[in-house]
Amino acid sequence: QKEVEQNSGPLSVPEGAIASLNCTYSDRGSQSFFWYRQYSGKSPELIMSIYSNGDKEDGRFTAQLNKASQYVSLLIRDSQPSDSATYLCAVNLGGTSYGKLTFGQGTILTVHP
Amino acid sequence: SAVISQKPSRDICQRGTSLTIQCQVDSQVTMMFWYRQQPGQSLTLIATANQGSEATYESGFVIDKFPISRPNLTFSTLTVSNMSPEDSSIYLCSATDGDQPQHFGDGTRLSIL
Repeated sequence: QKEVEQNSGPLSVPEGAIASLNCTYSDRGSQSFFWYRQYSGKSPELIMSIYSNGDKEDGRFTAQLNKASQYVSLLIRDSQPSDSATYLCAVNLGGTSYGKLTFGQGTILTVHP
Repeated sequence: SAVISQKPSRDICQRGTSLTIQCQVDSQVTMMFWYRQQPGQSLTLIATANQGSEATYESGFVIDKFPISRPNLTFSTLTVSNMSPEDSSIYLCSATDGDQPQHFGDGTRLSIL
């Protein structure tokens, strides 16, 4: 079992729809969870961080965390073609707050007009 | 968040040679990390660069192949030694001051002929 696993892609949604990206992790003691967006040819850009169970909203992005189920998700509302990118789930495994990150394999999102 | 600069941004190298990648942060940071992103893959942590002491390497990465220096709280280098085509990747530096998520430099795109 991979330590951090994302739902297999690619994911294609129409413009204006909700894109749902999912991630599970293996270490129940993990405390910090992050979503990075990576455009082709660019480096990862942090878009969301979440540390407590529940939802965290930032503009069109909502991160959801369920530590009991070891599950974190990212919802993108009103998806735009500019949201087309690879989304990387990253976890500080082992209970550290801002130490080394373990990444999922990434989900490629395409938003078509 | 800290601004992270990497040099060179890209390079094409001959098999058997070595290349040193520099990472400069515009403020003092507690932790610096080096990641590798192979073509079409996600990020894998190579090592944590420790200021004033030897780097901490992840499984599968060794100091002889990837020597790392961190002489102060704003600068680190990663050397890719005795390069082979399998080392063709993007190498990414990240940093955190310990109270914030990691942010990444623009990366170094390395091709080995």
